Amino acid sequence: QITLKESGPTLVKPTQTLTLTCTFSGFSLSTSGVGVGWIRQPPGKALEWLAFIYWDDDKHYIPSLKSRLTITKDTSKNQVVLKMTKMDPVDTATYYCAHRLWVSGQSINAFDVWGQGTRVTVSS
Amino acid sequence: SYVLTQPPSVSVAPAQTATITCGGNNIEDKSVHWYQQKPGQAPALVVYDDNDRPSGIPDRFTGSNFGNPATLTISRVEAGDEGDYYCQVWDTSSDRRNEHWVFGGGTRLTVL
Repeated sequence: QITLKESGPTLVKPTQTLTLTCTFSGFSLSTSGVGVGWIRQPPGKALEWLAFIYWDDDKHYIPSLKSRLTITKDTSKNQVVLKMTKMDPVDTATYYCAHRLWVSGQSINAFDVWGQGTRVTVSS
Repeated sequence: SYVLTQPPSVSVAPAQTATITCGGNNIEDKSVHWYQQKPGQAPALVVYDDNDRPSGIPDRFTGSNFGNPATLTISRVEAGDEGDYYCQVWDTSSDRRNEHWVFGGGTRLTVL
């Protein structure tokens, strides 16, 4: 059974750096084809994909936030970390990590298992 | 960057059929995935690769992608189907160096 859980601060001040950790179980990020993504959702708004990391450490970011984002993995700890610099009140959102779908030996670029999400508020 | 367009809301009576659309440039060339999100919960995948369902998703949920727009059809709608629905595609540059996971703006399904 695959599970993911996000953790991090609930409140950050403007200009600070946000560090979120996704701790997962039920799969290994050293297995070919596996990947984990980060998605956020501002209150009352739509989902927005932020970043993705593959088993081979290939990384991808949303272009509009690429300069502020860093995604890394720690395979031994079963964790994926997302850092976002220069936080602003508009970054207030629930942040989710999610597992890349794997069906019948094939990876698919959808997210089949999501964490519960962690709410982050940016305010002074 | 690639954009997916969904209607903000769809309303349907119980036992009727709801259709949610997802428009995008040449969307028929992409695989479309659909998520259901109920209030206070994380999204849940209901359809992947245009028309496949994860285990546990009832066959009342069907997707199609034969042209713009792609659609999610929910047959015999139940009160428990209420929530927000998002379409999603994977987009990449021609050299595969840049990959993006794109979500639509979401559609609120109301069961009357």
